[in-house]
Amino acid sequence: GESVGLHLPTLSVQEGDNSIINCAYSNSASDYFIWYKQESGKGPQFIIDIRSNMDKRQGQRVTVLLNKTVKHLSLQIAATQPGDSAVYFCAERASNAGGTSYGKLTFGQGTILTVHP
Amino acid sequence: NAGVTQTPKFRVLKTGQSMTLLCAQDMNHEYMYWYRQDPGMGLRLIHYSVGEGTTAKGEVPDGYNVSRLKKQNFLLGLESAAPSQTSVYFCASSGRTSEGGQYFGPGTRLLVL
Repeated sequence: GESVGLHLPTLSVQEGDNSIINCAYSNSASDYFIWYKQESGKGPQFIIDIRSNMDKRQGQRVTVLLNKTVKHLSLQIAATQPGDSAVYFCAERASNAGGTSYGKLTFGQGTILTVHP
Repeated sequence: NAGVTQTPKFRVLKTGQSMTLLCAQDMNHEYMYWYRQDPGMGLRLIHYSVGEGTTAKGEVPDGYNVSRLKKQNFLLGLESAAPSQTSVYFCASSGRTSEGGQYFGPGTRLLVL
């Protein structure tokens, strides 16, 4: 999972395995969460999102789980492929009540996923 | 659609020099953001804008200025570059509802000597 510090958590898996990347978020008032994928030399790319009124959302080969009780978010990637190798970030958005969040996101520090053929 | 574009892609500056990073988006998004990304750290918000002619400070605004004269453009300026500003800079934009998250540009790598 993600942690404070200069060294990113890493996860190494074999091609075809399932991957689980974890994230602890900080703000209990956050109402929207996103997972981003960042490949080397590129900008972050949206993978999947989830609102705080949900605990699970599925996409193509990806599932996000949200546990608000312990402020924990996870990203599951099924049948991981070498092309999934990247840094994965979770991001949270504070509640937009009153319209003052302006879409601002707070990012976790990232997890490096390496997929071996 | 080109999405979010950034220029330049890479720049080397000497301490004390100034420069402007340009961000452009063609998605008609209201909100735009500038982040910096340093090794081992996530993205940190420098400044953001909620509309043409408006800007606000983010988490790490010191040493930077921004302007949003046109809705589609968001400029980040360094008036007097310092080695601590060596980083990769990302611009992002999002719609007013912010659903679907922010769309990011490819980044500008800046080295200050």
